[in-house]
Amino acid sequence: GNSVTQMEGPVTLSEEAFLTINCTYTATGYPSLFWYVQYPGEGLQLLLKATKADDKGSNKGFEATYRKETTSFHLEKGSVQVSDSAVYFCALTKGQNFVFGPGTRLSVLP
Amino acid sequence: NAGVTQTPKFRVLKTGQSMTLLCAQDMNHEYMYWYRQDPGMGLRLIHYSVGEGTTAKGEVPDGYNVSRLKKQNFLLGLESAAPSQTSVYFCASSYELAGGPKETQYFGPGTRLLVL
Repeated sequence: GNSVTQMEGPVTLSEEAFLTINCTYTATGYPSLFWYVQYPGEGLQLLLKATKADDKGSNKGFEATYRKETTSFHLEKGSVQVSDSAVYFCALTKGQNFVFGPGTRLSVLP
Repeated sequence: NAGVTQTPKFRVLKTGQSMTLLCAQDMNHEYMYWYRQDPGMGLRLIHYSVGEGTTAKGEVPDGYNVSRLKKQNFLLGLESAAPSQTSVYFCASSYELAGGPKETQYFGPGTRLLVL
């Protein structure tokens, strides 16, 4: 069945560092892929998405490319800010539902 | 638009008590979901609904019941709360364009439940 694997956290970076959070998936068919972000005390918010192979989703300086050949959807940002500190979830569609990874906590230090 | 709202925000129950969590959305979405979030386990789907009057089991449905009597509301019930149900509960809603890709989910702010 469809599943998502994310890199274990927590990830701690200094401000302006480069960020990569790895996400790989297993799926039947062609799922849509998502990155969600959860700030402390809040619900999840969509960060970006891609609906077909080679699509690149981008938002707020974050990017991720749907790589069918490597079944990956890695999240990247060239220069993180303290305000990016949050938990990031990779997710994909599974029929009428969604499957989420365990989340990766990012802390950005000034 | 308020989006997805959840009540209550926080609740403490004793083992064996019952309660209902309310989720409401004003976006006319067909799909609604209830998740629980526990440390290190991401989000796990409890129950979901694909339309008014329909419900279906998710990954961890035991100990919970749901109802979707109105399109905008999705209720999650705990008939006899157990300490293992201590968690943060999130509601979400979504829609799907005919013949198109799955659209994103919109999440509520969560309900923190502590069962003693």
